[in-house]
Amino acid sequence: GAGVSQSPRYKVAKRGQDVALRCDPISGHVSLFWYQQALGQGPEFLTYFQNEAQLDKSGLPSDRFFAERPEGSVSTLKIQRTQQEDSAVYLCASTGQGVSADTQYFGPGTRLTVL
Amino acid sequence: SQQGEEDPQALSIQEGENATMNCSYKTSINNLQWYRQNSGRGLVHLILIRSNEREKHSGRLRVTLDTSKKSSSLLITASRAADTASYFCVESGGSNYKLTFGKGTLLTVNP
Repeated sequence: GAGVSQSPRYKVAKRGQDVALRCDPISGHVSLFWYQQALGQGPEFLTYFQNEAQLDKSGLPSDRFFAERPEGSVSTLKIQRTQQEDSAVYLCASTGQGVSADTQYFGPGTRLTVL
Repeated sequence: SQQGEEDPQALSIQEGENATMNCSYKTSINNLQWYRQNSGRGLVHLILIRSNEREKHSGRLRVTLDTSKKSSSLLITASRAADTASYFCVESGGSNYKLTFGKGTLLTVNP
């Protein structure tokens, strides 16, 4: 596609519910990233995929967070048993290869509100 | 990647004026990037300047890099209301693939 897309754009969950957030990266982009952005803060790194391999998940805040990219394209970020502190905007980004790998292209984000 | 620190935290100007934002970092870099985030277009890459460059232009944007002072600046000339956004500087390149953002500079351009 023309850019990174994410769905849903907005998600309201009751505390304790599971949620799944989807990211469609730019076609052909090998690397995919997830970030979490709390209100008034910059985005914070969660996890990184190169193709289907999850090479870094050091930013995932707890074992309730799980990400996958089984076919090396679409990725899903799953949050189990959501808590209020999980309320944030979740951003997905993808990059190309070589010299263009430095620039990350971000999707519009999914705003998650946990009540 | 390392975290850049933007200064000022907030800046309010009138349309047509120039806006200057600064960034300091603590380690050696390969590249430095500036991103913009607003509610309309999300987080967008603006410009990348490599460590061997001192100045780079893109439209109304001018970025400078001083590696001896570990600082960078972003100048937006002839600002427009649509430039209202948060601006982040991010060090990148090398083996560090993830971007580490600071809190950014919130620029408000008043019509």
